[in-house]
Amino acid sequence: NAGVTQTPKFQVLKTGQSMTLQCAQDMNHEYMSWYRQDPGMGLRLIHYSVGAGITDQGEVPNGYNVSRSTTEDFPLRLLSAAPSQTSVYFCASTYQGSYGYTFGSGTRLTVV
Amino acid sequence: AQTVTQSQPEMSVQEAETVTLSCTYDTSESDYYLFWYKQPPSRQMILVIRQEAYKQQNATENRFSVNFQKAAKSFSLKISDSQLGDAAMYFCAYRSALGAGSYQLTFGKGTKLSVIP
Repeated sequence: NAGVTQTPKFQVLKTGQSMTLQCAQDMNHEYMSWYRQDPGMGLRLIHYSVGAGITDQGEVPNGYNVSRSTTEDFPLRLLSAAPSQTSVYFCASTYQGSYGYTFGSGTRLTVV
Repeated sequence: AQTVTQSQPEMSVQEAETVTLSCTYDTSESDYYLFWYKQPPSRQMILVIRQEAYKQQNATENRFSVNFQKAAKSFSLKISDSQLGDAAMYFCAYRSALGAGSYQLTFGKGTKLSVIP
């Protein structure tokens, strides 16, 4: 099925561990973004990409890295997990001229 | 930078009644888009309705309609004939029409809607 696929759906990490949240889309969308959702805070932009090889920071980029080597994939890396990174993470994509975004189903990450 | 404010953290409505969720935003731009997203317990983000700022006519999608007041920077969502399936978190979001901001959504903090049978 066409759409945005996020893996894993759930993850528990220990403080200091690293991991990569995967995001893939098969709609040939140029624009991809990562958001985090925290209670009472809405969704906040972490990083975004306007095409392969081009990324930029959003509102809350600290502690996260991204890269975009292909149009389809946009992984989010946590270099050294901290309890403050406990959140639900969403990947989303869109294309120029489109009004809406397609969201993945989210990853619930708990850092203990 | 744009900001989106939802002043009602929680609301409730009787089944079959009408409820209005409030949203205000701050921007210096003249061309932009506004959205309402629904997030049920499944966590999926579902687009409910959108409004282009250049359109004066309020958007409508079945039981969902908006009251868009550009001068007041207000964008409320009205749900008519509320159903149990409408119970969810609702987010108001802003997107620029031009420039780097056109790829990004700015969200409000959300309103949790409960529907009482």
